[in-house]
Amino acid sequence: SQQGEEDPQALSIQEGENATMNCSYKTSINNLQWYRQNSGRGLVHLILIRSNEREKHSGRLRVTLDTSKKSSSLLITASRAADTASYFCATDLIQGAQKLVFGQGTRLTINP
Amino acid sequence: DTAVSQTPKYLVTQMGNDKSIKCEQNLGHDTMYWYKQDSKKFLKIMFSYNNKELIINETVPNRFSPKSPDKAHLNLHINSLELGDSAVYFCASSNYREGGDEKLFFGSGTQLSVL
Repeated sequence: SQQGEEDPQALSIQEGENATMNCSYKTSINNLQWYRQNSGRGLVHLILIRSNEREKHSGRLRVTLDTSKKSSSLLITASRAADTASYFCATDLIQGAQKLVFGQGTRLTINP
Repeated sequence: DTAVSQTPKYLVTQMGNDKSIKCEQNLGHDTMYWYKQDSKKFLKIMFSYNNKELIINETVPNRFSPKSPDKAHLNLHINSLELGDSAVYFCASSNYREGGDEKLFFGSGTQLSVL
């Protein structure tokens, strides 16, 4: 199975509600990053959290990291229709050549 | 203006053909990547170049050959295309930093369809 796995695979909520997506990983990391992918486009970096950090905010985004559980969550508050996209977590592994390992993503749909 | 640009955006070809995808970045980054995204949206790294030197070569058939003429360009050549090569291929770039904290900048992808 993969290093990073997002949960749920798909999430559909009403505009204005909060959306929470989770990511689990298996091996030790330098950092964990979240990316967003709009349909038919490339991924766009949202936020990075280092392994010694527990929580980070950026605008309506809140990311938490629990290294003991090897998990992270991305919270989008006050969702908007424009937040509809797929969200990927990516782990920067400690061992080996530096590379980001992506999960399969959570498909988020915001209903107006 | 485009930071990471790749061409073509769409590529439809017959099995057995040879094709190339080009990528260029104008961000001044020293590291470039090729990722493959399959139909289930799973994104997997294929290659990484740092200052024109290959540093990551995942388990990819040797029909795939990357070439980096300079650190702003990373092209992907695919020989003898197979049906299973159908996917979206993304180019990305970053600046290598000791200890990590790199973030990737992605191109908009090349959708390859092998018939």
